[in-house]
Amino acid sequence: NAGVMQNPRHLVRRRGQEARLRCSPMKGHSHVYWYRQLPEEGLKFMVYLQKENIIDESGMPKERFSAEFPKEGPSILRIQQVVRGDSAAYFCASSPSGGVGYGYTFGSGTRLTVV
Amino acid sequence: SQKIEQNSEALNIQEGKTATLTCNYTNYSPAYLQWYRQDPGRGPVFLLLIRENEKEKRKERLKVTFDTTLKQSLFHITASQPADSATYLCALESTDSWGKLQFGAGTQVVVTP
Repeated sequence: NAGVMQNPRHLVRRRGQEARLRCSPMKGHSHVYWYRQLPEEGLKFMVYLQKENIIDESGMPKERFSAEFPKEGPSILRIQQVVRGDSAAYFCASSPSGGVGYGYTFGSGTRLTVV
Repeated sequence: SQKIEQNSEALNIQEGKTATLTCNYTNYSPAYLQWYRQDPGRGPVFLLLIRENEKEKRKERLKVTFDTTLKQSLFHITASQPADSATYLCALESTDSWGKLQFGAGTQVVVTP
């Protein structure tokens, strides 16, 4: 069981480019969550997805950010036209189902640097 | 607005002693309160979860208490070891927002031999 896999571990983008972050949940997990950790700040919820559905996107910035979790393949967090303020660690977590009162399994994160 | 507060100052403790961390919250009615450990450059690792109707939970050298009246959780690491050095995060989850954890900023623990 490889756990939650995120790639790439480190991503450098120039301002204005697109960043695509990938997350493969644990085997048997159908719920995926994305969080962002800005330097010197706590983890902030971004979006909660099930296969082919967005359940809660209340933490997603209104523009430039999108997320998907297709029927096949990993979940993708996409940031268009990146700006310096997008530099952060992005973590993905997964669970077998939602709201059943057990902890979440996090990946090691993708560290995005915008230059 | 909802607020979750953890000790911002690092907790320096001698090996073998008990480390006690605090998590206070306001304007929140969590169904579950969770504690995670985070090492530098890594993702959070789940440690313990306690429900709103539970007072105390234990796992090996870890103990969590939850007081919904005081809106506070205490996290204890007994017989601390240098390997326990990390940042510990408190996270809350409510019944109307499953999957949406609200994290505190974390408390760094440094255990010296």
